[in-house]
Amino acid sequence: AQSVSQHNHHVILSEAASLELGCNYSYGGTVNLFWYVQYPGQHLQLLLKYFSGDPLVKGIKGFEAEFIKSKFSFNLRKPSVQWSDTAEYFCALEAGSYQLTFGKGTKLSVIP
Amino acid sequence: SAVISQKPSRDICQRGTSLTIQCQVDSQVTMMFWYRQQPGQSLTLIATANQGSEATYESGFVIDKFPISRPNLTFSTLTVSNMSPEDSSIYLCSVRGTVGAFFGQGTRLTVV
Repeated sequence: AQSVSQHNHHVILSEAASLELGCNYSYGGTVNLFWYVQYPGQHLQLLLKYFSGDPLVKGIKGFEAEFIKSKFSFNLRKPSVQWSDTAEYFCALEAGSYQLTFGKGTKLSVIP
Repeated sequence: SAVISQKPSRDICQRGTSLTIQCQVDSQVTMMFWYRQQPGQSLTLIATANQGSEATYESGFVIDKFPISRPNLTFSTLTVSNMSPEDSSIYLCSVRGTVGAFFGQGTRLTVV
């Protein structure tokens, strides 16, 4: 069975700081990987995805993630966070039949 | 992208009763998914609902507790039966698009 681990439960940063959220997965085959974001009071939104090809993928709002197959990792990064990035971030894995396995999420609080 | 509407958005229910959650999608989709997000936890897949066939339930979820209907390609319902306080969660409907999964805004259920 597949699983997803997110290393940080809660991250607190000041505006303009750089962000890296860790995500590791466990699955023996080909996977699609996603980062979703949930802003306060809003529904889950797709931030970015990796299906194949270039392991560095760019998403909305200046976010990017790098797929490192040898490390089973898909870390999320942003060079300079803003207060509006305050949200909960979920890493997710899709293997086979479009069913998603989610990590436990990381709450990001950005202090102005 | 798909637009997913869920009803109700929230409810407070008495233990022992049942609640039916509706999910409407603005386009025809083969598979619809129901997830649960318990307080402080990540999303867990309850079942996959295909039109014209029985829903497929994940380990730990059973049809008697979470019956699902899928009468057509744009609509599904999830019923939470004989509720207990442990069923207090956010229930989300999801569909898979070409770039990833889309989610409804969720139904926040509180059982008292």
